[in-house]
Amino acid sequence: SQTIHQWPATLVQPVGSPLSLECTVEGTSNPNLYWYRQAAGRGLQLLFYSVGIGQISSEVPQNLSASRPQDRQFILSSKKLLLSDSGFYLCAWSVSLYYEQYFGPGTRLTVT
Amino acid sequence: DAKTTQPNSMESNEEEPVHLPCNHSTISGTDYIHWYRQLPSQGPEYVIHGLTSNVNNRMASLAIAEDRKSSTLILHRATLRDAAVYYCILRGGSEKLVFGKGTKLTVNP
Repeated sequence: SQTIHQWPATLVQPVGSPLSLECTVEGTSNPNLYWYRQAAGRGLQLLFYSVGIGQISSEVPQNLSASRPQDRQFILSSKKLLLSDSGFYLCAWSVSLYYEQYFGPGTRLTVT
Repeated sequence: DAKTTQPNSMESNEEEPVHLPCNHSTISGTDYIHWYRQLPSQGPEYVIHGLTSNVNNRMASLAIAEDRKSSTLILHRATLRDAAVYYCILRGGSEKLVFGKGTKLTVNP
């Protein structure tokens, strides 16, 4: 069966520091991968999605970037964190862009 | 993606059925109706989806009105582990899942 991992589970970072969040999927090949953010008291917002290695689509211009160095690995990065980057970051995968999505456990990021 | 309307909150008792409504009066012919739920401090979980006919799976049933302007997610026997925020989402061929505010379900023991 398929499994999706995210780490770390929680992270506290100072403003201006870099960020790297990692997501990996097991048990499937060539998944579509997604990064979402859920700010406190708000709905989920799609940040990036990827249909293959090196292929990244950005939904919202911001302080973040994404990369997909391997088929089942998706990385969310920032060079300098802002206070507004705080939130719950979720990685998801699907068989195809329009199929149901399966979410990871999430990373709760607090920027201080 | 078309808009959906859900009640902010609902309550149920354990082991009783729960009917979670969703209105989507502007649904188009190609929009699928998806349901996800999010337990506290966890990522969303796919529950079920359908287009026109009622659907059943191990988690729930989805009843879709004949005119497709509304649908109901049915949990046949609520358990405490079903306490979550339930999201009704229309997908018309987009890579995005657009999450609204959903319905917060409280299950009483």
